Amino acid sequence: QVQLRESGPGLVKPSETLSLTCTVSGGSITDFYWSWIRQSPEKGLEWIGFTHHNGITDYNPSLRSRVTVSLDTSKDQVSLKLSSVTAADTAVYYCARVPSTLGWYFDLWGRGTLLTVSS
Amino acid sequence: DIQMTQSPSTLSASVGDTVTITCRASQSISSWLAWYQQMPGKAPKLLIYKASTLESGVPSRFSGSGSGTEFTLTISSLQPDDFATYYCQQYNSWGTFGQGTKVEIK
Repeated sequence: QVQLRESGPGLVKPSETLSLTCTVSGGSITDFYWSWIRQSPEKGLEWIGFTHHNGITDYNPSLRSRVTVSLDTSKDQVSLKLSSVTAADTAVYYCARVPSTLGWYFDLWGRGTLLTVSS
Repeated sequence: DIQMTQSPSTLSASVGDTVTITCRASQSISSWLAWYQQMPGKAPKLLIYKASTLESGVPSRFSGSGSGTEFTLTISSLQPDDFATYYCQQYNSWGTFGQGTKVEIK
């Protein structure tokens, strides 16, 4: 059974770079697209970006200048980096799987990790 | 950007009721729509994709319909586990979510 587990620092200072990791267990990381999605009371659910082992990566246009999503197949991990964070980036961050290129929806989610931006 | 608008924002119902949630897209998205259920403190769970296809393992009391700009999620014979918040998500162009509909106990 495939499971996703996000991990991160919990607290980041304004203007710093946020780094989160999603560890995939129980299945192959190379067969699917992997995404990051965040949720906050202010903005609701927001798709951040996705990546695949084939090198295809794309980002939400509103975040593109600050975000990097990447895969480490040796560790079965999906990473998210978001630079120049502000309080508006405070949210629960989820890692999720896209089951098929036939549709960009998410069939498997991690538990999420809360990230707070504060000095 | 395609905007997704759900109604109502909150819905009060009793066990056994049939409830319907509506999701409207700001432009046509064909049938590229998914529905999710989210329990408090948990991640969203996929219920339906391509507007009406039930995800494996999801009870048949959940059903989806619609195409173009208007979609509905219907829950027949509401069960205690169904009191949650429901989200629609379009994936015709990038991917945007509705603001959610909370189904609460009357």
